[in-house]
Amino acid sequence: AQSVTQPDIHITVSEGASLELRCNYSYGATPYLFWYVQSPGQGLQLLLKYFSGDTLVQGIKGFEAEFKRSQSSFNLRKPSVHWSDAAEYFCAVGPPGGGYQKVTFGTGTKLQVIP
Amino acid sequence: DTGVSQDPRHKITKRGQNVTFRCDPISEHNRLYWYRQTLGQGPEFLTYFQNEAQLEKSRLLSDRFSAERPKGSFSTLEIQRTEQGDSAMYLCASSLESGVFFGQGTRLTVV
Repeated sequence: AQSVTQPDIHITVSEGASLELRCNYSYGATPYLFWYVQSPGQGLQLLLKYFSGDTLVQGIKGFEAEFKRSQSSFNLRKPSVHWSDAAEYFCAVGPPGGGYQKVTFGTGTKLQVIP
Repeated sequence: DTGVSQDPRHKITKRGQNVTFRCDPISEHNRLYWYRQTLGQGPEFLTYFQNEAQLEKSRLLSDRFSAERPKGSFSTLEIQRTEQGDSAMYLCASSLESGVFFGQGTRLTVV
């Protein structure tokens, strides 16, 4: 069965600092991988996704993620965090071509940004 | 395109009562999903429609839960005889091939 682990429940960074949110997955082959952001009172918004090809994926809002097969990881990064990035971030994994109903979400990482 | 719309945004109900939530997907999206999200957890899949056909249901969807999408447009999720464990955020999403879009959710509190 597929699974995804986000080891950091809560992270605090200073505005302007770099950010890396960790995500590890368990899946028998190369899965589809996603990062979503959820702001208070808002629905989930897709930041980026990896299906195949270039392992460094660019997303919206200046985020990027790198797929590392050897480490079963798909960490999310941003070079300079803005106060508006404070939110909860979810990593998700799904089977290739399996449809969004097959996607499993992690438990999320809450990002706090301090001035 | 106004996005995925869910109604109501918040619902407080007494244990044992029935509740119904509505989801209006993005108009051209033929796929619609319901998820449940409890505190400290990511969303968990409940059920999936393609047009009006309910194609998949999670084991989380007990027989107290029923979902419909009668004309392949809006969808409803009904919970009968609510229990305190049903307290959660219920998220609806719709998709085309390009990606999935989530609504803001309905927060249910069972007292």
